[in-house]
Amino acid sequence: EVQLVQSGAEVKKPGESLRISCKGTGYAFTSDSIAWVRQMPGKGLEWMGIIYPGDSSTKYSPSFEGQVTISADKSITTAYLQWTSLKASDTGIYYCARGQYLVRRTSWFDPWGQGTLVTVSS
Amino acid sequence: SSELTQDPAVSVALGQTVRITCQGDSLRIYYASWYQQKPGQAPVVVIYGKNNRPSGIPERFSGSSSGNTASLTITGAQADDEADYYCSSRDSSGHQYVFGTGTKVTVL
Repeated sequence: EVQLVQSGAEVKKPGESLRISCKGTGYAFTSDSIAWVRQMPGKGLEWMGIIYPGDSSTKYSPSFEGQVTISADKSITTAYLQWTSLKASDTGIYYCARGQYLVRRTSWFDPWGQGTLVTVSS
Repeated sequence: SSELTQDPAVSVALGQTVRITCQGDSLRIYYASWYQQKPGQAPVVVIYGKNNRPSGIPERFSGSSSGNTASLTITGAQADDEADYYCSSRDSSGHQYVFGTGTKVTVL
């Protein structure tokens, strides 16, 4: 079974750093991408960025470029999302998802991790 | 434009048909994928590509596309289909992705 399992909920203070993880199992981790998606409380899905674990190349949404860092360790089939200085506005649920492709016109995200709730509050 | 626009909410009577639309310039180039999200759960893909259903997704879900608009149709809506639905595609540059604004489907 293909699965993405994320790390547990975090409660942090503004200014603190954080790294959350997403472990992929049941498939060739380096063959597909891993995307990160934010969902703020009561709001919609926002695509943050993507990593291709095969070569560790990344693309970021302009909204998140410079605010977070996406990385991966293919030796342990795990992707990461990292902040160096959290803000209260970073509070939300963060999902990872496997990016799949048929041809360039056809791509989708499946499966998704269970989500990691990040709460930033003083 | 890299935005995908959806109607905020639609309702459908039990057993009837509902169509959810997603508009954006990138849809002239790339197919949309559609995700169902129930409260407190992670999203699940229900349609991708021209009209592909992942294993386990009921046949009542179907997709189509024309010009800058992608559509998700639920034929014979069930109570279990009540959820938020999001479309997604690559943006016009092809290097990034974008999600639609989301549609809340209520089954009456």
